[in-house]
Amino acid sequence: GQQLNQSPQSMFIQEGEDVSMNCTSSSIFNTWLWYKQEPGEGPVLLIALYKAGELTSNGRLTAQFGITRKDSFLNISASIPSDVGIYFCAGQLNTGGFKTIFGAGTRLFVKA
Amino acid sequence: KAGVTQTPRYLIKTRGQQVTLSCSPISGHRSVSWYQQTPGQGLQFLFEYFSETQRNKGNFPGRFSGRQFSNSRSEMNVSTLELGDSALYLCASSLKGAPMNTEAFFGQGTRLTVV
Repeated sequence: GQQLNQSPQSMFIQEGEDVSMNCTSSSIFNTWLWYKQEPGEGPVLLIALYKAGELTSNGRLTAQFGITRKDSFLNISASIPSDVGIYFCAGQLNTGGFKTIFGAGTRLFVKA
Repeated sequence: KAGVTQTPRYLIKTRGQQVTLSCSPISGHRSVSWYQQTPGQGLQFLFEYFSETQRNKGNFPGRFSGRQFSNSRSEMNVSTLELGDSALYLCASSLKGAPMNTEAFFGQGTRLTVV
């Protein structure tokens, strides 16, 4: 079945540093989504990507949909303490209905 | 605009019992998906409903079932609960159905503990 490989598994960074995480798959996806989840909450959508090669920003966050449609990355610039959380990538398949496959998540720790 | 609402937030059940979880999607959203989240397995897709029909199903046993009502509200049922069913169950709603791609918005989840 479809699987997403998300890396790194965790990151410990200093406030102000830039962060990069990515997801790869052997399958092609129609849509890539990036979510952030904080303790006790559901994932919150950060960025949605719909076309191969698309580069989209949301404040300090930038994400790209890979040309091959099998990968995506998320960058966070100038990290701040409230960036702490788990970041999930998700690939969405449109097979007559939606099926979304999630990566295992990248746990981000930011030291002030 | 209200977000996705899941009830209850927390639940404790005994092995062998059954449980029903509820999800009210964002107003106007017709697609509802359910996920199981555990520390070991991450987010696992359970099933997706659109216009009261199940369109996609993940790799879970038949003890996991769901349905969607005409107002798009959805319920998920787990019968004969096992300890391993302890997890955060998340519901996500989407505005459009196939063939449009669209974002999914999550509720806060129902934390189920099986003892």
